[in-house]
Amino acid sequence: AQSVTQPDIHITVSEGASLELRCNYSYGATPYLFWYVQSPGQGLQLLLKYFSGDTLVQGIKGFEAEFKRSQSSFNLRKPSVHWSDAAEYFCAVGAYFGNEKLTFGTGTRLTIIP
Amino acid sequence: NAGVTQTPKFRVLKTGQSMTLLCAQDMNHEYMYWYRQDPGMGLRLIHYSVGEGTTAKGEVPDGYNVSRLKKQNFLLGLESAAPSQTSVYFCASSYFGTSGADTQYFGPGTRLTVL
Repeated sequence: AQSVTQPDIHITVSEGASLELRCNYSYGATPYLFWYVQSPGQGLQLLLKYFSGDTLVQGIKGFEAEFKRSQSSFNLRKPSVHWSDAAEYFCAVGAYFGNEKLTFGTGTRLTIIP
Repeated sequence: NAGVTQTPKFRVLKTGQSMTLLCAQDMNHEYMYWYRQDPGMGLRLIHYSVGEGTTAKGEVPDGYNVSRLKKQNFLLGLESAAPSQTSVYFCASSYFGTSGADTQYFGPGTRLTVL
């Protein structure tokens, strides 16, 4: 069975500082990986996804993530955070083939301080 | 193009009451999902559907039923609500990509409180 671990429940970062959110997955075959963002009171919005090919993927709002198969990780990064990035971030994994559903991590809440 | 919409946005029930949550999508997606979101537990899949007339159980299906009579609609029913079903419910839909379900698009959520 597939699973996702987001080890950091809450992260606080200063505005303008760099950010890295960790995601580790467990899946026996080739994974299909996603990062979603959820602003307070809102639904989830896709930031980026990794399907195949280049292991460094670019997403919206200046985010990027790197797939590292050897470490079973898909960490999300941003070089300089903005106050509007404060939200909850979810990593998810699905099957590359025959995928019907995703498994989500428990989320990381990001707080931005001035 | 409204995307994924959910009705209602908020609801308060008493224990034992029933209700139906409606999810509608206008993107012609084959797959639809119902999740619940509870603090510290992320999103947990309740039921999902891979096409009109078909449904399947997810991770936490007990106490819920679903129906997908039309491709664009996915209904979630609570026959006898319990306080443990207090949660935020999200619907999502997905198109069929090259090898399976692709990106899921989420609705705005329904906040349900059961007293």
